[in-house]
Amino acid sequence: AQSVTQLDSHVSVSEGTPVLLRCNYSSSYSPSLFWYVQHPNKGLQLLLKYTSAATLVKGINGFEAEFKKSETSFHLTKPSAHMSDAAEYFCVVSEWNDMRFGAGTRLTVKP
Amino acid sequence: ETGVTQTPRHLVMGMTNKKSLKCEQHLGHNAMYWYKQSAKKPLELMFVYNFKEQTENNSVPSRFSPECPNSSHLFLHLHTLQPEDSALYLCASSQEGGQGDNYGYTFGSGTRLTVV
Repeated sequence: AQSVTQLDSHVSVSEGTPVLLRCNYSSSYSPSLFWYVQHPNKGLQLLLKYTSAATLVKGINGFEAEFKKSETSFHLTKPSAHMSDAAEYFCVVSEWNDMRFGAGTRLTVKP
Repeated sequence: ETGVTQTPRHLVMGMTNKKSLKCEQHLGHNAMYWYKQSAKKPLELMFVYNFKEQTENNSVPSRFSPECPNSSHLFLHLHTLQPEDSALYLCASSQEGGQGDNYGYTFGSGTRLTVV
């Protein structure tokens, strides 16, 4: 079965500096991959998704992720962090609509 | 508003109470899900409904009872809960095509449940 590992449980950056949230996946097929964001006391919001089209995927709020099959990775990046980016981020791998969530990475943004 | 509405947003209940969580999706999706999110734990899939039929029950205790009367509505009936059941309960929906592309899930904002 497919699985996903988020390599950092907590990432802290300063406002205006780059963000890198790391995700590795395992899948027997050609998976779909997603990043979701969850702000405090809110549900999960889809940031971006990869579904076998372009390997560099652009999402909302300036985030993007690159699908690297050779490295089985789908890291999330943003050139410049904003205070409003502070939240929990979930990487998700899916086969045939069976979604598996990572444990989450908490992003803290310092002024 | 994401198109998936959950009510109530917050619920406090005693261990002997009976309550229900409601989820409604306005997206025309044909699959709906209940997830449990506890502090410091990964999301736990509880129930899956496809075309109103329950297709998955991940060993959830019988004190949680789902109901899906139609493809737009999903309920989670609660009775004799334990304090460890306190969590954020998230509903999601998706369009299941059966094969091929996966468009992801749309989540509601959740119900924060506290069992006292």
